[in-house]
Amino acid sequence: DQQVKQNSPSLSVQEGRISILNCDYTNSMFDYFLWYKKYPAEGPTFLISISSIKDKNEDGRFTVFLNKSAKHLSLHIVPSQPGDSAVYFCAARAWGGKLTFGQGTILTVHP
Amino acid sequence: ETGVTQSPTHLIKTRGQQVTLRCSSQSGHNTVSWYQQALGQGPQFIFQYYREEENGRGNFPPRFSGLQFPNYSSELNVNALELDDSALYLCASSPGPASGGLGTDTQYFGPGTRLTVL
Repeated sequence: DQQVKQNSPSLSVQEGRISILNCDYTNSMFDYFLWYKKYPAEGPTFLISISSIKDKNEDGRFTVFLNKSAKHLSLHIVPSQPGDSAVYFCAARAWGGKLTFGQGTILTVHP
Repeated sequence: ETGVTQSPTHLIKTRGQQVTLRCSSQSGHNTVSWYQQALGQGPQFIFQYYREEENGRGNFPPRFSGLQFPNYSSELNVNALELDDSALYLCASSPGPASGGLGTDTQYFGPGTRLTVL
């Protein structure tokens, strides 16, 4: 039972354009959502998070949107840069600290 | 500020053996969580330790066990290794366990230990 799904295995974007990564979840008990970026041979790096009481959180080029009624969140990166090329994971947390991760989306930003 | 560190970086074991992986948490963090990431998948929660006690466990058999020490570092032990245990094992530390959605317990990951079981 995949409670957190990232349905796009990969995304290719031109440098300077917007990257939109999507994530859907099924568990209504999730109260906190995070995005991580992962380079090969490294652990996931925390990017941005959002509480379930908000619908938007912004940090520089990164914005996360949460649509609770649709159980959907998205990460917008604008403008995209080649250094943003990595695997992006969304994660969701229910009470207790356990993070449930999606399968990841490989983002490639072309110069 | 020192981040999360893990050792060893890589490890090769044979089926049936036992393995111990180690993690040092980030300074000021008292909670450690362990995850298993198989190839092409997202990390899967194994368990979490808070103040030296297990504070939640995922869907992993009892041969996966752990410890947390007074300095908040942690070990993951896996007995009777199976081929499917081959994966990247990630440790994450946080300032505390879940705190009701306020975001103060964001988990920060180490680089992982790549375990190969032959």
